[in-house]
Amino acid sequence: SQQGEEDPQALSIQEGENATMNCSYKTSINNLQWYRQNSGRGLVHLILIRSNEREKHSGRLRVTLDTSKKSSSLLITASRAADTASYFCATDNRGKLIFGQGTELSVKP
Amino acid sequence: DAGITQSPRHKVTETGTPVTLRCHQTENHRYMYWYRQDPGHGLRLIHYSYGVKDTDKGEVSDGYSVSRSKTEDFLLTLESATSSQTSVYFCAISDRGPLNQPQHFGDGTRLSIL
Repeated sequence: SQQGEEDPQALSIQEGENATMNCSYKTSINNLQWYRQNSGRGLVHLILIRSNEREKHSGRLRVTLDTSKKSSSLLITASRAADTASYFCATDNRGKLIFGQGTELSVKP
Repeated sequence: DAGITQSPRHKVTETGTPVTLRCHQTENHRYMYWYRQDPGHGLRLIHYSYGVKDTDKGEVSDGYSVSRSKTEDFLLTLESATSSQTSVYFCAISDRGPLNQPQHFGDGTRLSIL
């Protein structure tokens, strides 16, 4: 069962540009999390946003949550080549964390 | 980085053989998880543990068993491996349950079943 789905599946931008990734989900949630995965590595937690929060920032990352539309977005500002990775949203569903299929971000120098 | 070690990192084996993957943590976290990652499916939960000898099934548990005899170790066993179990397996840990808590991941085990 797929709870979260990211859009787009792949995104290619130039260094310095902003990158926006979206996540849609199907059922009500307690929180939504974003993770990053570099090639050949495990996932790294970026941000957790609770269902009663609308926006959260961490450095160059900005996450928004719209529970009425069952969607979230991750914005990376002033992207760097080191931001090249896959990004996943994850939502809780019946006490378990369900991951989307991810967005592959490529940042070209 | 959270202290999570997965072993082996790579394994190639034949259909029908038993396989055990190990996850070792040094964080003393209560919760441990096993996921598999496949193209087109993202990460899917296989089993998880909420304490020593306390485990429960995830989304794709058929063909897998787990054991946790110590806080620091969580074993995933494929009793009789099949080609459909070729995947990258990730262990994760969290201090409290999956709700409202980030999970910390190991670097994965790449398993190929021929």
